[in-house]
Amino acid sequence: KNQVEQSPQSLIILEGKNCTLQCNYTVSPFSNLRWYKQDTGRGPVSLTIMTFSENTKSNGRYTATLDADTKQSSLHITASQLSDSASYICVVSALGGGADGLTFGKGTHLIIQP
Amino acid sequence: NAGVTQTPKFQVLKTGQSMTLQCAQDMNHEYMSWYRQDPGMGLRLIHYSVGAGITDQGEVPNGYNVSRSTTEDFPLRLLSAAPSQTSVYFCASRLRQGVDNQPQHFGDGTRLSIL
Repeated sequence: KNQVEQSPQSLIILEGKNCTLQCNYTVSPFSNLRWYKQDTGRGPVSLTIMTFSENTKSNGRYTATLDADTKQSSLHITASQLSDSASYICVVSALGGGADGLTFGKGTHLIIQP
Repeated sequence: NAGVTQTPKFQVLKTGQSMTLQCAQDMNHEYMSWYRQDPGMGLRLIHYSVGAGITDQGEVPNGYNVSRSTTEDFPLRLLSAAPSQTSVYFCASRLRQGVDNQPQHFGDGTRLSIL
């Protein structure tokens, strides 16, 4: 069964600090991996999409990495801001997967404290 | 350009009542889908549509119906509400199925409570 595991479940850091969120997956055959940001009371918003051949992708202060061999991804947030407080969801797409072929992680809840 | 619009934002129902959650997108996306999000769980697919007139079941379809008469609209119907359907419901769209590097665009959700 395809699975996506995220860690930590929740994280509290001080404004201005960096942090890294982890995503491990057992999705096959792999197509791409996505990171979404979900603000409280809002829908998820896409941050990055990485295919098998990409191992790094940036979006402003967000940098995602992908190791397709170990089936791991990370999302690094640099110089955190209060607006980064949100849930971050890792989503893995299976090639030719049934239905929408997407497996969602449960998310990491990030709180940035002033 | 509004993206994906969901209405209502909040709704309280009594057990056994029926209702329709509305979803509309203005991006001319062929692919639309409905998810539910429950505490401690990832988003789960309820139903999806690859184009007007075509719908199919996702992971948790029981108790829900959908139709897709136009490209823009994809309503979700609860036939007879049950407390287990208390959840936050998200509608999403993307350009088309099979274009794997396209992001999904989500609405802001409908928060539904069944008493």
